[in-house]
Amino acid sequence: DIQLTQSPSFLTASVGDRVAITCRASQGISDYLAWYQQKPGKAPKLLIHTASTLQSGVPSRFSGSGSGTEFTLTISYLQPEDFATYYCQQRHSYPITFGQGTRLEIK
Amino acid sequence: EVQLVESGGGLVQPGGSLRLSCVGSGFTFSNHWMTWIRQAPGKGLEWVASIKPGGSENYYVDSVKGRFTVSRDNAKNSLFVQMNSLRVEDTAVYYCARLAGSSSIFDYWGQGTLVTVSS
Repeated sequence: DIQLTQSPSFLTASVGDRVAITCRASQGISDYLAWYQQKPGKAPKLLIHTASTLQSGVPSRFSGSGSGTEFTLTISYLQPEDFATYYCQQRHSYPITFGQGTRLEIK
Repeated sequence: EVQLVESGGGLVQPGGSLRLSCVGSGFTFSNHWMTWIRQAPGKGLEWVASIKPGGSENYYVDSVKGRFTVSRDNAKNSLFVQMNSLRVEDTAVYYCARLAGSSSIFDYWGQGTLVTVSS
């Protein structure tokens, strides 16, 4: 199985900050990586797929990069509604796996 | 507007069974792979199973193989998962989600239904 490790697991930041979350895969997955945002009590929401493609309707302050084994989700100019938990997910091979999550909290 | 609505969750004893349902609307259900994903209380996301549009092909995470069966009724825009031999560790919110094409990108999610396995 492909393991995904996110870092950091917990992050505090202020409105207006730029933050980056890393996702490392245990083996190469090309660009078969997606990022999701989840707020408490809600279903996850797709932000980015295929490593860097922004899902329709997602603000352009979200961006993704990477290929192979290392990927990054960057949020530029944090807004109050961005404080949530973020997950990466690989679709390179079954079983589909998720990272353990990164909780982003307001400082 | 794409909508997915799950139902069927509840409290069940270890070893028991439960069948979850998910009804889709606002899209052509029969064209899409569908999936179940779960989240144990306070934990991360775990993919459970996916099923092809025609229902002829499906995939499962190892921990549920032989116990869970995913199926669908395209005439009723419905996705199901039959869960047998339930264990305490199956306790979770179960989400159904639509796949964008056959890509395993989960572009729309339901609100989830809670399954609690406890004596």
